[in-house]
Amino acid sequence: NAGVTQTPKFQVLKTGQSMTLQCAQDMNHNSMYWYRQDPGMGLRLIYYSASEGTTDKGEVPNGYNVSRLNKREFSLRLESAAPSQTSVYFCATSHLYGYTFGSGTRLTVV
Amino acid sequence: AQSVSQHNHHVILSEAASLELGCNYSYGGTVNLFWYVQYPGQHLQLLLKYFSGDPLVKGIKGFEAEFIKSKFSFNLRKPSVQWSDTAEYFCAVRNFNKFYFGSGTKLNVKP
Repeated sequence: NAGVTQTPKFQVLKTGQSMTLQCAQDMNHNSMYWYRQDPGMGLRLIYYSASEGTTDKGEVPNGYNVSRLNKREFSLRLESAAPSQTSVYFCATSHLYGYTFGSGTRLTVV
Repeated sequence: AQSVSQHNHHVILSEAASLELGCNYSYGGTVNLFWYVQYPGQHLQLLLKYFSGDPLVKGIKGFEAEFIKSKFSFNLRKPSVQWSDTAEYFCAVRNFNKFYFGSGTKLNVKP
């Protein structure tokens, strides 16, 4: 099925550890996004990529890095995880009719 | 920057009651408007969208929304809710290829 695939679905990290969240889409869309979702705060944009080779900061980029490896893949890296980064992370692609979201990664930093 | 306000954070209704969730946005130029729904444990799914034309938009599962330009509003409505409508609802605005989301409204429908 066409869509957005995120891995892993769940992850527990210790403070200071690093990890990369993977996102891949097979919809041939140019724009890809990373959001975090926290209770009562909706979705906040971390980074986005308007096209292959470009990335831009969103509302809450601190503590994160991204790589747009090719048109299909857009990864999010936490270099030194902090408890404040405990959240649900969603990758999305943008098209004329809106967003298509991945199923999310639930990350807990202890 | 655009901001999106959803004033109802938590709504509790009985089945068959009518629903209206408010959404207001700040940018006065050309925008696209969306409502997304997130069922427990799932990702966001598109309910409906407005780009232009008839300001009353019909979406899936009996939902509709009305765009009122003068009020910068895009309220979501459903005449008769069901228990299966229990979810979190997000209003979103797109301009210049960036999306801005409201903080969400949790809807609990009692059977």
